Amino acid sequence: LAKTTQPISMDSYEGQEVNITCSHNNIATNDYITWYQQFPSQGPRFIIQGYKTKVTNEVASLFIPADRKSSTLSLPRVSLSDTAVYYCLVGGIVPGGYNKLIFGAGTRLAVHP
Amino acid sequence: DAGITQSPRYKITETGRQVTLMCHQTWSHSYMFWYRQDLGHGLRLIYYSAAADITDKGEVPDGYVVSRSKTENFPLTLESATRSQTSVYFCASLARISYEQYFGPGTRLTVT
Repeated sequence: LAKTTQPISMDSYEGQEVNITCSHNNIATNDYITWYQQFPSQGPRFIIQGYKTKVTNEVASLFIPADRKSSTLSLPRVSLSDTAVYYCLVGGIVPGGYNKLIFGAGTRLAVHP
Repeated sequence: DAGITQSPRYKITETGRQVTLMCHQTWSHSYMFWYRQDLGHGLRLIYYSAAADITDKGEVPDGYVVSRSKTENFPLTLESATRSQTSVYFCASLARISYEQYFGPGTRLTVT
């Protein structure tokens, strides 16, 4: 199982760009990298997913270097409503089964006024 | 309404009792999952199912039983509840084409 390591917590201020890096040294060839966001008392919500290079959507960017042993979630111009826990997951569906996704403890982001 | 629902949302039960948590999704996603989240911690996978009648263990399956007779339903049963099973339980389904998991609102279970 691919294990991920990410900072326990981060602090930022409104309007700043936040980068959260996740380490996944034993990522497998078929694994995708997925990030989720979780607010208190809610289930996690999908943010972004990628396999290699850079992926961008309306809320975030995901940077993946060529060796894929790490990834960086970038949140542009954060607001107070971005205060949440962010999880990095590695895995996905593989031929003949499912590569179980491990959530880990996540990164607790606090955005201050 | 389309989506994934869980019931009940809150449950208090006594040690030793059997409890079943329900999960229902309307997308016909093949994969479904049960996670538990203890206060201040991340999610841990209990069981998952790749299709009707196909289930497999996750990280913490002991004390839990699942079944999947229909694609849209994935109930989780605690056969004899213990205090250590006090937690928030999340159900999810997976959109295979995007590997995106959709989570339900959660069930907060307290075992006294």
